[in-house]
Amino acid sequence: NAGVTQTPKFQVLKTGQSMTLQCAQDMNHNSMYWYRQDPGMGLRLIYYSASEGTTDKGEVPNGYNVSRLNKREFSLRLESAAPSQTSVYFCASTPRGLQGDYNSPLHFGNGTRLTVT
Amino acid sequence: KNQVEQSPQSLIILEGKNCTLQCNYTVSPFSNLRWYKQDTGRGPVSLTIMTFSENTKSNGRYTATLDADTKQSSLHITASQLSDSASYICVENVGDMRFGAGTRLTVKP
Repeated sequence: NAGVTQTPKFQVLKTGQSMTLQCAQDMNHNSMYWYRQDPGMGLRLIYYSASEGTTDKGEVPNGYNVSRLNKREFSLRLESAAPSQTSVYFCASTPRGLQGDYNSPLHFGNGTRLTVT
Repeated sequence: KNQVEQSPQSLIILEGKNCTLQCNYTVSPFSNLRWYKQDTGRGPVSLTIMTFSENTKSNGRYTATLDADTKQSSLHITASQLSDSASYICVENVGDMRFGAGTRLTVKP
């Protein structure tokens, strides 16, 4: 099993450009998440999807959109990139669905390192 | 106050030595508290989970403790190895997950 796969690994954008970060998991997990990680700060939730067909905003959703394409895939889109979006982006998944099971760990991908100039 | 705080921010120790990382969490009780290890350039990986009723839990050379009175958790690493060099992140689950900023551990030969 590959676990959680993120593409691309690295990306450089100019201000105003758009791009989509891709994430896929092969563990049949219900819930998927997008986080950003910045130096000196804890991981911050951008958007999450508790189950196929649902998405919800997290702590820092402004400037981002998401699509839960199917149970495996959850993409993050930057419509008009800004320097403040320079960060490392992590996708994660858990088996947890709408029923709960809060003891499941998050399974993370290896991140996309995005620089916006 | 809903921030999970970790200390120290960074730590350098010699191979074979022990160390203890601290986490101050926010809410008592909580669903669970988990420690993750994040190697450079990789995503975090779960090390151990503690529920509110547990005081201590071990996973090999890693031992996590919980003090509900002071709202503190510690991660103790015994007989450190070079491969322990990583960031260690404390995460409090109170329905939503609250992440600490992590402690960056460097183990030197």
